[in-house]
Amino acid sequence: SAVISQKPSRDICQRGTSLTIQCQVDSQVTMMFWYRQQPGQSLTLIATANQGSEATYESGFVIDKFPISRPNLTFSTLTVSNMSPEDSSIYLCSVQRGAQETQYFGPGTRLLVL
Amino acid sequence: SQELEQSPQSLIVQEGKNLTINCTSSKTLYGLYWYKQKYGEGLIFLMMLQKGGEEKSHEKITAKLDEKKQQSSLHITASQPSHAGIYLCGAGPKNAGGTSYGKLTFGQGTILTVHP
Repeated sequence: SAVISQKPSRDICQRGTSLTIQCQVDSQVTMMFWYRQQPGQSLTLIATANQGSEATYESGFVIDKFPISRPNLTFSTLTVSNMSPEDSSIYLCSVQRGAQETQYFGPGTRLLVL
Repeated sequence: SQELEQSPQSLIVQEGKNLTINCTSSKTLYGLYWYKQKYGEGLIFLMMLQKGGEEKSHEKITAKLDEKKQQSSLHITASQPSHAGIYLCGAGPKNAGGTSYGKLTFGQGTILTVHP
């Protein structure tokens, strides 16, 4: 298994501001992902965080809005930029060590934008 | 893109009753994950099924993967209030090894309530 922590666990932010969410894993992993869960909805993949290169974004998500960093194999950040109330969601990071391995999720960051 | 549909969307049962949640895919399943989520929290991994016909059990929860039907089922025996939560199935694209890997698509979730 993997022990994953996220900071902050929750936050209330004003529209127009930005928030950076951190994801830390207790051991090196091959793949890290960022998901969004809007209120009452299921999870949607935002992007794959690539170590040493630009993240790979899914359709509907762009780097200017959700810049992602992954400086090493145990850490990644997701920034939600120029926030609006529509960005109010739970943001979750997940990790997978390799093919045929289990994908584990962090505890999530609950964001409310006023 | 792959779509997953879960049924039922919500379920209310009396403690001690058995129940089944289904997850049907629009495309061939190369592997399927089951997770449980408490309201507003992260996902707890339950089981991963990688091959058609595979069945796994953990405590009172059993999951099966029917590749031909493009479907997986999650069965809880003798439900308890601790089983309450949101159950999510997730599946990913096929990898070189023929199993699911990487970015996951999720069903909409099944909300389970267990009354004591």
